[in-house]
Amino acid sequence: QVQLVVSGGGVVQSGGSLRLSCAASGFTFNIYGMHWVRLPPGKGLEWLAYIRSDESATYYSDSVKGRFTISRDNSKSTLYLQMDSLRPDDTALYYCARNTGSGFSPGDRWGQGVLVTVSS
Amino acid sequence: QSVLTQPPSVSAAPGQNVIISCSGSSSNIGDNYVSWYQQLPGTAPKLLIYDNNQRPSGIPDRFSASKSGTSATLGIIGLQTGDEADYYCGTWDTSLSAHVFGTGTKVTVL
Repeated sequence: QVQLVVSGGGVVQSGGSLRLSCAASGFTFNIYGMHWVRLPPGKGLEWLAYIRSDESATYYSDSVKGRFTISRDNSKSTLYLQMDSLRPDDTALYYCARNTGSGFSPGDRWGQGVLVTVSS
Repeated sequence: QSVLTQPPSVSAAPGQNVIISCSGSSSNIGDNYVSWYQQLPGTAPKLLIYDNNQRPSGIPDRFSASKSGTSATLGIIGLQTGDEADYYCGTWDTSLSAHVFGTGTKVTVL
């Protein structure tokens, strides 16, 4: 079955780095664009980044541009999010999701979410 | 601060119908497809609608959506207690070159 499994979350100090991984299985990973989305405590969903299926383009929200890097390894069916210069307001549940439909939107399959806590 | 505006909350009794609005602009809803998501507490978001009005397999037809100009709406017919959740609209914003989510609407079943 289609599955996205996120790993790499944890507690990190302000200014530190963390890398999240999203391992995909059960579908042809290299034909899907992929997204990262987060849910800060007590707040709404926030889109972070998108990468095209062939890695030809990446897009970021202003809140993480220059600090976070989305990448993928199609040979390993794995999506990554390198997070640098972390701040306390980056504390959130982080999800990966595959693109669905005709546009660029997180779609029908999501990872389970991992908690990232940035301490000051 | 989101560029897509939703009402903070809506509520209705079981069996009644609710509508959630999502207001945007020409660079997002007006120019791109809209999706809708349901997030139950403690779980990952679930796609309810994509491409403005398409339901993924497994989503009941109690959920429907439409788009007109720079606004979109999600309708839930025959509200059930299991529908209590947060609902978000989302779309690509051509000017920002970024995806945007709505502010979110909490649906309460009275």
